[in-house]
Amino acid sequence: GAVVSQHPSWVICKSGTSVKIECRSLDFQATTMFWYRQFPKQSLMLMATSNEGSKATYEQGVEKDKFLINHASLTLSTLTVTSAHPEDSSFYICSARDLGRYTGELFFGEGSRLTVL
Amino acid sequence: RKEVEQDPGPFNVPEGATVAFNCTYSNSASQSFFWYRQDCRKEPKLLMSVYSSGNEDGRFTAQLNRASQYISLLIRDSKLSDSATYLCVVSTGTASKLTFGTGTRLQVTL
Repeated sequence: GAVVSQHPSWVICKSGTSVKIECRSLDFQATTMFWYRQFPKQSLMLMATSNEGSKATYEQGVEKDKFLINHASLTLSTLTVTSAHPEDSSFYICSARDLGRYTGELFFGEGSRLTVL
Repeated sequence: RKEVEQDPGPFNVPEGATVAFNCTYSNSASQSFFWYRQDCRKEPKLLMSVYSSGNEDGRFTAQLNRASQYISLLIRDSKLSDSATYLCVVSTGTASKLTFGTGTRLQVTL
């Protein structure tokens, strides 16, 4: 079963509104989570690294005031797309590593498809 | 130059065929290598890690050539269910921070 859960799976919103996406690690604690974005026919691009109890680390070119990240607990990170515009329409995916597993595998959430009208 | 480069394909092969994908990476300090599979509109899922000695998992064989900085994935006896996009993934430094290739699309047909 899923070890990382994302919600919502789909969201359609009007331009100018804000959208929050949740990422939860199930049955394990994740001090670090990663947020990716994927445009059609393109690779996943790392947006930011979410750190529990501290500020997120953003990749070059990603606006931190536009994409607010909050990692308030060891099992939950949220990404808020503020004042969304049509160009923000994309597939947003979070990931977390279960260090308790011998493989240390990185698991991905199911993804959240955002469409901004 | 992209950090991780893959031929986007698509590779159209008949069932039962053997198909190979290559991937090159630019950072010689890269430490960990993976192949992920991504189905249409779904999240990526780990297919296999890639080790220097090469590794095999059933019909799938992965190899790493550090000197030439490329990774390969071989799929034998292709099944219809193998149709997907295969992502070459490289990690440099922090093991959890991954860089993805654009993916190679495989379509297996009857």
